[in-house]
Amino acid sequence: IQLTQSPSSLSAFVGDTVTVTCRSSQDISIYLNWYQKKPGKAPKLLIYAASSLHSGVPSRFSGSGSGTEFTLTISSLQPEDFATYYCLQSFSTLFTFGPGTRLDI
Amino acid sequence: QVQLVESGGGLVKPGGSLRLSCTASGFTFSDHYISWIRQAPGKGLEWIAYISNGGTTIYYADSVRDRFTISRDNAKNSLYLQMNRLRAEDTAVYYCARESVFDSGGFYFYYFDSWGQGTLVTVSS
Repeated sequence: IQLTQSPSSLSAFVGDTVTVTCRSSQDISIYLNWYQKKPGKAPKLLIYAASSLHSGVPSRFSGSGSGTEFTLTISSLQPEDFATYYCLQSFSTLFTFGPGTRLDI
Repeated sequence: QVQLVESGGGLVKPGGSLRLSCTASGFTFSDHYISWIRQAPGKGLEWIAYISNGGTTIYYADSVRDRFTISRDNAKNSLYLQMNRLRAEDTAVYYCARESVFDSGGFYFYYFDSWGQGTLVTVSS
């Protein structure tokens, strides 16, 4: 299963709302997770099952979608949100990540 | 608290071997499936291997199948990755990640909720 993400990068201001899209090469229902990755740090789970917010993750992060198209929305961007975001499909046991979306200040 | 600590990374020549370890604490290790995931310099995340809680089910990405072997010792709360016939393109930070499951009315959704800090493997002559 192949995942694509758009855009590959974007720039935004603190306080903005941004949306990242992840598309799957086949129907994966809601078997889609979102991660945040900062340089030198381990990835951090944000969203699982397409729209469920992981414990401790701020409510400004939200996910939606099903089938082949999914979105991660970050509202009211904070300075600590500038990072790279990856989607991951868990429909197949051969997990695959999307190529990532870099969010720059 | 949940903790995963990788070790064993380093510099190795092409064609060489290396064994990574991941030691877990703060949770019941034998209850969880665990994966190895890597990130090459300047590249994205790549899932490479997974092992079930009892060690009986194992999957590999095509990029490492037949060269890497994942294993675990639940008595030692440890996960391993034996890497043979290493190539330059295996250069990456290697993470172990705990898999958890969300049960939604009999539908099971899997996700990696805890990760180690990573260990760097460099394959170069």
